[in-house]
Amino acid sequence: EPEVTQTPSHQVTQMGQEVILRCVPISNHLYFYWYRQILGQKVEFLVSFYNNEISEKSEIFDDQFSVERPDGSNFTLKIRSTKLEDSAMYFCASSPDRVGGYTFGSGTRLTVV
Amino acid sequence: KNEVEQSPQNLTAQEGEFITINCSYSVGISALHWLQQHPGGGIVSLFMLSSGKKKHGRLIATINIQEKHSSLHITASHPRDSAVYICAVPSLIQGAQKLVFGQGTRLTINP
Repeated sequence: EPEVTQTPSHQVTQMGQEVILRCVPISNHLYFYWYRQILGQKVEFLVSFYNNEISEKSEIFDDQFSVERPDGSNFTLKIRSTKLEDSAMYFCASSPDRVGGYTFGSGTRLTVV
Repeated sequence: KNEVEQSPQNLTAQEGEFITINCSYSVGISALHWLQQHPGGGIVSLFMLSSGKKKHGRLIATINIQEKHSSLHITASHPRDSAVYICAVPSLIQGAQKLVFGQGTRLTINP
């Protein structure tokens, strides 16, 4: 069964450093998403991406965050200058169409120290 | 804005018991997702349903669109069913849907 692949599975970074979280969505999916889950809290939406541009972003997704689909397969989330409160599990997801089923990646656990 | 509430928040049961997890939401939707989050953190999609009932193995999901309520049932529960079960509803936005998540139900099945 097709999978959404995320790397790395766990990343520890120093506060103020840049991190790039990588995702390979399912190849024929058209919509891509990033979500995050702070420990003990609900999963929350960060950003959606379609047709090579951001469809919507949440208030969490400020200027420190960016997304890119550089080569038609990878979908990346960059955090420019990490803060302690960015520590969370970050999930990538993709869907084949606007209302179709989601497939989630296994997540990247980001720890900012 | 859609609010999603799940109950119970925690559920402990013995192996073999019939399990029910409930989900209510505030705004009408086209479909609802049930997800399973493993202890390691990964999320697996279990069901997407827009009406009636769906069954997959020992899992059954039902939805009542008029009542804005869905249930996830597990028959003959097993310790390997221990996980967090999350319902999520779409909030359609220009270009794509985003999901609004419930807080999850932590299920523990004891042998």
